[in-house]
Amino acid sequence: GNSVTQMEGPVTLSEEAFLTINCTYTATGYPSLFWYVQYPGEGLQLLLKATKADDKGSNKGFEATYRKETTSFHLEKGSVQVSDSAVYFCALILNTGFQKLVFGTGTRLLVSP
Amino acid sequence: SQTIHQWPATLVQPVGSPLSLECTVEGTSNPNLYWYRQAAGRGLQLLFYSVGIGQISSEVPQNLSASRPQDRQFILSSKKLLLSDSGFYLCAWRDVHRSYEQYFGPGTRLTVT
Repeated sequence: GNSVTQMEGPVTLSEEAFLTINCTYTATGYPSLFWYVQYPGEGLQLLLKATKADDKGSNKGFEATYRKETTSFHLEKGSVQVSDSAVYFCALILNTGFQKLVFGTGTRLLVSP
Repeated sequence: SQTIHQWPATLVQPVGSPLSLECTVEGTSNPNLYWYRQAAGRGLQLLFYSVGIGQISSEVPQNLSASRPQDRQFILSSKKLLLSDSGFYLCAWRDVHRSYEQYFGPGTRLTVT
């Protein structure tokens, strides 16, 4: 079946540190990949996406590259801010049939000043 | 631009009482609509999705039901709430003519007491 695996959290960093949140996937086919962010008490916001192998999604200083050979879509940011504290969800959707998002369990990021 | 609304934002209901959560989307037509539940500290579980008026697919057998009486209105209901129905309920939509990503509403926090 199709699944997404994320690293366990919480990830605790100091402001301006480098961030990596690992995400790997299993899919029968060629998925599109997404990172969503959820701030406390809010819904999910689409952070970035990539629709084919070697694509790099980027937004607000975050980046992730679609690696087909390692089935990964790791989220990175060069210098985190306190305002980046949130839960980050990796997700995939297959590009055939009914497109249903498959989410990872989420990784909580805590950034301290 | 498109916007998605959910109400109420928070709800506290006793066990055995009925439930009705509403979701509406503006600025698009014939979207795919989704209901998700997020239990405390957990990932997202897809509950229902709809590809058109009156068309509802259930992902998980449970105490809940969904309806789509109008093109951009999606309702989540229950006749008798259980304690296990507590959680954060998120509605999402997707423009089937444009791209695969889903856009989420602000969510409803339901506490069953």
